[in-house]
Amino acid sequence: QQQVKQSPQSLIVQKGGISIINCAYENTAFDYFPWYQQFPGKGPALLIAIRPDVSEKKEGRFTISFNKSAKQFSLHIMDSQPGDSATYFCAARRPNTGNQFYFGTGTSLTVIP
Amino acid sequence: DAGVTQSPTHLIKTRGQHVTLRCSPISGHKSVSWYQQVLGQGPQFIFQYYEKEERGRGNFPDRFSARQFPNYSSELNVNALLLGDSALYLCASSRQGRQPQHFGDGTRLSIL
Repeated sequence: QQQVKQSPQSLIVQKGGISIINCAYENTAFDYFPWYQQFPGKGPALLIAIRPDVSEKKEGRFTISFNKSAKQFSLHIMDSQPGDSATYFCAARRPNTGNQFYFGTGTSLTVIP
Repeated sequence: DAGVTQSPTHLIKTRGQHVTLRCSPISGHKSVSWYQQVLGQGPQFIFQYYEKEERGRGNFPDRFSARQFPNYSSELNVNALLLGDSALYLCASSRQGRQPQHFGDGTRLSIL
């Protein structure tokens, strides 16, 4: 059973546009929700993260919107650049554990000039 | 400071063999987690170690085992390799058990 469902699988955006990636989860006890960026041949790199008591967090061009009642959260990339082309993963931390995460299946983002 | 380092970067094995993957965490980090990432999928949690004790185990068979050493480095061992074990194995470290984790670039394991 997929604990975190991510969509879309792939996304193509024009340079300067807004990229939006969505995730949904089932377990209301998840307590931490990070987003990771992964380039080919590299490990995932932490982009931005949010806790469920906050509805929005912004860091530079990256924003997480969190809807606790809908059990959904999304990543918005403003002013998308070709260098943002990568695979993005959402994740949720399993409750009552150390640092165990469930990851979404990933979104391949392509930003065209 | 150096990031999380993993070795080897690539490895080719045959079915039935055994493999050991190694991970050195960021200096000062005491927690190490292992993930398996199959091509086209998100990482799947295998183990977490903190202060040399196992703190979590994912849904993987007993062929998978790990340990953490006094210097906080870690090894992941996989016995009786199957074709389905072909994947990118990622190590992540964090300063303490529940702080943000940083990933290495992984070991690409191919089973023939």
